[in-house]
Amino acid sequence: DSGVTQTPKHLITATGQRVTLRCSPRSGDLSVYWYQQSLDQGLQFLIQYYNGEERAKGNILERFSAQQFPDLHSELNLSSLELGDSALYFCASSVDGGSFYEQYFGPGTRLTVT
Amino acid sequence: DQQVKQNSPSLSVQEGRISILNCDYTNSMFDYFLWYKKYPAEGPTFLISISSIKDKNEDGRFTVFLNKSAKHLSLHIVPSQPGDSAVYFCAASGVNRDDKIIFGKGTRLHILP
Repeated sequence: DSGVTQTPKHLITATGQRVTLRCSPRSGDLSVYWYQQSLDQGLQFLIQYYNGEERAKGNILERFSAQQFPDLHSELNLSSLELGDSALYFCASSVDGGSFYEQYFGPGTRLTVT
Repeated sequence: DQQVKQNSPSLSVQEGRISILNCDYTNSMFDYFLWYKKYPAEGPTFLISISSIKDKNEDGRFTVFLNKSAKHLSLHIVPSQPGDSAVYFCAASGVNRDDKIIFGKGTRLHILP
């Protein structure tokens, strides 16, 4: 158990819909990262927050947005969903704000868009 | 453009032998390299990392070697054990706090009995 929790575990929704994925970091970690893992793809870094502020941005689509709240939990919002958004979405946390720090990953949310 | 490449999608190794997983990168600005291991239905877990100022880092059965001139790193697992069967991701990052991390596509390691 990494100490990072993600809800829900599974999500099935239709094209055009909007969903919110939630992540609670390990106690004491200030940084949260979001990743997408599609079939045959590695982990694609989406976005990083550090202590409530956006720190780094990766290949995140404009239809996607995220935020980190004062209690340090984070939410990833995916809107106007397309079939190609079906993937595993991982959240990770680290004690500090650099990607070179060891990251602790949650178990992921499997999103299926039908 | 894949900045971090793991050219072997899968690798099979006999239990007790050495497993060598390879990773190539194209961006000479990367300062830090990390290996993560992933079991099915779980999130990745950190294994070992190396800074660009070193050429070797060892942690128990795991050793990472970095060849900066060749832009190549490798993870050695000695001896390989059944529990090492997993997908291994190579990742690279700069050392600034707003640098992005780039992951490879992973190599699936099978340890044969």
